[in-house]
This record gives sequence, structure tokens and C-alpha cells, in this order.
Amino acid sequence: NAGVTQTPKFRILKIGQSMTLQCTQDMNHNYMYWYRQDPGMGLKLIYYSVGAGITDKGEVPNGYNVSRSTTEDFPLRLELAAPSQTSVYFCASSLTGGENSPLHFGNGTRLTVT
Amino acid sequence: GQNIDQPTEMTATEGAIVQINCTYQTSGFNGLFWYQQHAGEAPTFLSYNVLDGLEEKGRFSSFLSRSKGYSYLLLKELQMKDSASYLCAVNGAGNNRKLIWGLGTSLAVNP
Repeated sequence: NAGVTQTPKFRILKIGQSMTLQCTQDMNHNYMYWYRQDPGMGLKLIYYSVGAGITDKGEVPNGYNVSRSTTEDFPLRLELAAPSQTSVYFCASSLTGGENSPLHFGNGTRLTVT
Repeated sequence: GQNIDQPTEMTATEGAIVQINCTYQTSGFNGLFWYQQHAGEAPTFLSYNVLDGLEEKGRFSSFLSRSKGYSYLLLKELQMKDSASYLCAVNGAGNNRKLIWGLGTSLAVNP
């Protein structure tokens, strides 16, 4: 049981480039999330999904896109990378969206945009 | 507004007990989570409280007072590996997408 797997672990992008951060989970969780974590700013929700085919915006969605074609996969797309997107990105999943359903996080992707 | 406050940093000694506080002001409340995050790693789930009182899990305990908007995480018999950031998160509505996160408390355990 691998849990939540994110790739790549590290990436450096030039301004204006695009990339996809991959996320897959093998726990058959319905809910999946993308967060970014910046020093002194805490975790911010970018997008989330409550099941295959359904996605919705979180607090900070601008500059990102997601898709959820299967239960397992939830990729995050950056179309035109900007320095403000330099951050650590975490994908997470939970069995349900209910109160007592802890999040399981992937190991993160450290992205630098220069 | 919605807000969670935690101390930024704490220091403790190996073998001791430390209490990390979290106060919150949210428009709704459906439970409070504590997560542990080692430097450079992902957060991992520690505990969940939705009713007032103390929940004990081995060396870690978590307390909640809903009337005071207050929780604490108690770590006993501290070990060096407990050096990490501890994140408090409140479920402000009945769905995890409404989690409100604190900035975390960085705990350093010294020998």
C-alpha cells in the first residue's frame, strides 16, 4: 500500500513554462486535494475533488488547473509558471469529506520558478 | 473572520512534557485535527477531537474545549524524534475542504 504518491519531488521551471504535478493514491479514497505550503503562510487549498469527474476551486486556484478522470489520479497543471508559484505542493486524499476523515498526504513537490 | 493561533516556536528537553496550545475563532466547528510535520516531509495525522475533553494516544494526548475555542496537544516523555512542526487544523464545516490551518508550532527537543 503506497498511499499517496507525488512526482516529481523537485522541479525548477523558467517563467512562462508549464508542467504537470502528478498525484496518485491507492487507498480508494473519494476525496483528493492539492495544497501549497509557503514559509510563514500555512497550508493553502488550491483545488479539491470529491470523486472522479468532479473538481472545485479552493482558496488559491488562480494559475492552476486540475482534472480527475479516475479515482486514483489527480494531476495539477501549471500553465504559465510565475515566481509566485514557487512553493512546496502537497497532494492529499481522504476516505470521505466528513468530520473525522483525516487527510493522507503525499511527500510533496518542491517547485522553484525563476 | 476565521483564525487559528499557535505559538511559533517552542523548546523542550528530552524526557520532559510539553503542551502546544491552539486557539481558534471560526464561523462553524466540526472538529479539530493535529498533524505532525517533520522538516522537509509531509504532514501526518496525530489526533482528532470533536467533543470536549481529553483524547489519549500513547505519549500524545489532545484536549478540546469548544466553549473556549481552545485545544492543546500534550507530548509526554519527549524524544529527539519529536522535533517537528505541529499543525492545528479546524474543520469549520462538515467537509474537509473547509479545513482552516494554523501556521504550525516548531518544536525543538534538546538532549
